[in-house]
Amino acid sequence: DTEVTQTPKHLVMGMTNKKSLKCEQHMGHRAMYWYKQKAKKPPELMFVYSYEKLSINESVPSRFSPECPNSSLLNLHLHALQPEDSALYLCASSRVTGPQETQYFGPGTRLLVL
Amino acid sequence: AQSVTQLDSQVPVFEEAPVELRCNYSSSVSVYLFWYVQYPNQGLQLLLKYLSGSTLVESINGFEAEFNKSQTSFHLRKPSVHISDTAEYFCAVTNTGTASKLTFGTGTRLQVTL
Repeated sequence: DTEVTQTPKHLVMGMTNKKSLKCEQHMGHRAMYWYKQKAKKPPELMFVYSYEKLSINESVPSRFSPECPNSSLLNLHLHALQPEDSALYLCASSRVTGPQETQYFGPGTRLLVL
Repeated sequence: AQSVTQLDSQVPVFEEAPVELRCNYSSSVSVYLFWYVQYPNQGLQLLLKYLSGSTLVESINGFEAEFNKSQTSFHLRKPSVHISDTAEYFCAVTNTGTASKLTFGTGTRLQVTL
């Protein structure tokens, strides 16, 4: 089973709302990632967790707050977002971090900020 | 630093025709190369990867790619495409200095028509 699940599939939020995106995998992977993908663009890395600890933060604004409560679950908390934050948010996981590791992606959450 | 160039933003092709999607990379150290496919409204799926060994790698659905170190290329080919191959294709690279950070190309939209 190489499945990464993400909820919700779609999310519409106002600039004053607080919402969370959820990602789950049951492959025993110890590395999890958040990416942001704008339309007709490649994914951009936001955060990397390794063994439930944040290892990479690609200078993402603080209105995005990641959380990894256990080895299977990854959350992205959203607060006071801007319309330009509208995008597809992809979660991925890999066995461990490393340049040869395959990252398995979820289907994404399509976020619209009004 | 590493980078990936996909010169063709769109490639239209008739069903059952051959196709080549081009990918060139630059890196000062040894690289690992990946092709991901993204079907409409979905996440990314690994198509194939080159880590070491044989320079010709194949996927289960008929795609192949050849790592050419002298030309710094990793072009993706299929001898006969199907309508269902219509998707966005991303070439990506990592190296030993960048841990798990995938650097993606800008993507190539493969449009297969009858």
